[in-house]
Amino acid sequence: DSGVTQTPKHLITATGQRVTLRCSPRSGDLSVYWYQQSLDQGLQFLIQYYNGEERAKGNILERFSAQQFPDLHSELNLSSLELGDSALYFCASSVHDYPQYFGPGTRLTVL
Amino acid sequence: GENVEQHPSTLSVQEGDSAVIKCTYSDSASNYFPWYKQELGKRPQLIIDIRSNVGEKKDQRIAVTLNKTAKHFSLHITETQPEDSAVYFCAASRGYNNNDMRFGAGTRLTVKP
Repeated sequence: DSGVTQTPKHLITATGQRVTLRCSPRSGDLSVYWYQQSLDQGLQFLIQYYNGEERAKGNILERFSAQQFPDLHSELNLSSLELGDSALYFCASSVHDYPQYFGPGTRLTVL
Repeated sequence: GENVEQHPSTLSVQEGDSAVIKCTYSDSASNYFPWYKQELGKRPQLIIDIRSNVGEKKDQRIAVTLNKTAKHFSLHITETQPEDSAVYFCAASRGYNNNDMRFGAGTRLTVKP
């Protein structure tokens, strides 16, 4: 157990819908990262927050957004969902920039 | 941006043999190189990492080597065991203030008993 928690574990929704994934970092970690893992794309970095501020941006679509709250938990919002958004979404956390410890992931299925 | 290539995509070894996985990266400013092990349906777990100021790091049966000039780094697992079977990912990032970590595509390692 890495100490990073994610909810929900599984999410099934329809195309066009909007969902919110939640992540709580390890105690004391200030950075939160979001990754997408699909079968044909491997692990794709989406976005990083550090102590409430956006720190780095990767291959995050405009339909996706994230934020980190004062208590350091983070939410990833996915809207106008498409079939291709079906994937495992991982959150990771670290004290500063590294190393990163991953949560158990949220499996999103878009039907 | 950073591009990380990982080889081979699959690797099968006999228990007790060594396994080597290689990665190359494109961004010369990258200075942090972790390796993750991911078992089926589980989270990636950090198994070892190396920073650009060292050329080699070892932790029991696992070692990582880094060649900054050639921009490649490798994971070495000795005396492999069936429980080493998993997908291994390498990654590279600049770290500090620009942490856009890029992962390799992964290597599926199978250790046959």
